[in-house]
Amino acid sequence: GESVGLHLPTLSVQEGDNSIINCAYSNSASDYFIWYKQESGKGPQFIIDIRSNMDKRQGQRVTVLLNKTVKHLSLQIAATQPGDSAVYFCAENRRSTGRRALTFGSGTRLQVQP
Amino acid sequence: DVKVTQSSRYLVKRTGEKVFLECVQDMDHENMFWYRQDPGLGLRLIYFSYDVKMKEKGDIPEGYSVSREKKERFSLILESASTNQTSMYLCASSYLQGGDQPQHFGDGTRLSIL
Repeated sequence: GESVGLHLPTLSVQEGDNSIINCAYSNSASDYFIWYKQESGKGPQFIIDIRSNMDKRQGQRVTVLLNKTVKHLSLQIAATQPGDSAVYFCAENRRSTGRRALTFGSGTRLQVQP
Repeated sequence: DVKVTQSSRYLVKRTGEKVFLECVQDMDHENMFWYRQDPGLGLRLIYFSYDVKMKEKGDIPEGYSVSREKKERFSLILESASTNQTSMYLCASSYLQGGDQPQHFGDGTRLSIL
């Protein structure tokens, strides 16, 4: 399939293990964050979001953690499955720019080994 | 479910041609966006629109223009295509409501300029 990023950091995990994907952001004024999943040949798919007034938010098998002190965001995937193999992007709403569009990170490739 | 449809999955054009990429969303979203995605660079915002006939430049607008004559349709125009515009182009839409809403993506158009 098509590659969405030839030079992405890669996380390789065993099926059934938990995965943690990390993202650093630079703007302390950012107040909204999103995680996306992108499978080969498809557009990014929304996974979960979090606002800056929260530290943690849980979805189905996924948890997002926000550490505003060190400007760090993480996505935890429980019991990782082969279908979780994809590129994962974080995105932030940089409020200080006065613009309401999101700014995306460059992504992390998750490979799930059966 | 939100549906964002991009008119072509693959497109091949020649240098100097005027190229139109079309995007339609079916959820009455106010915001629409055009990104390009290149290996190692993530998603970069070209243009966005908050309302009909309204547009704002993103991070890399040079060589592109947009048109939003109807709320559901947002077109990206390459006025005179060049080889450095070969890329994956992604369209997205979201609700206006304060701007902090997930963007929903189409599956992309892979454009090759020869």
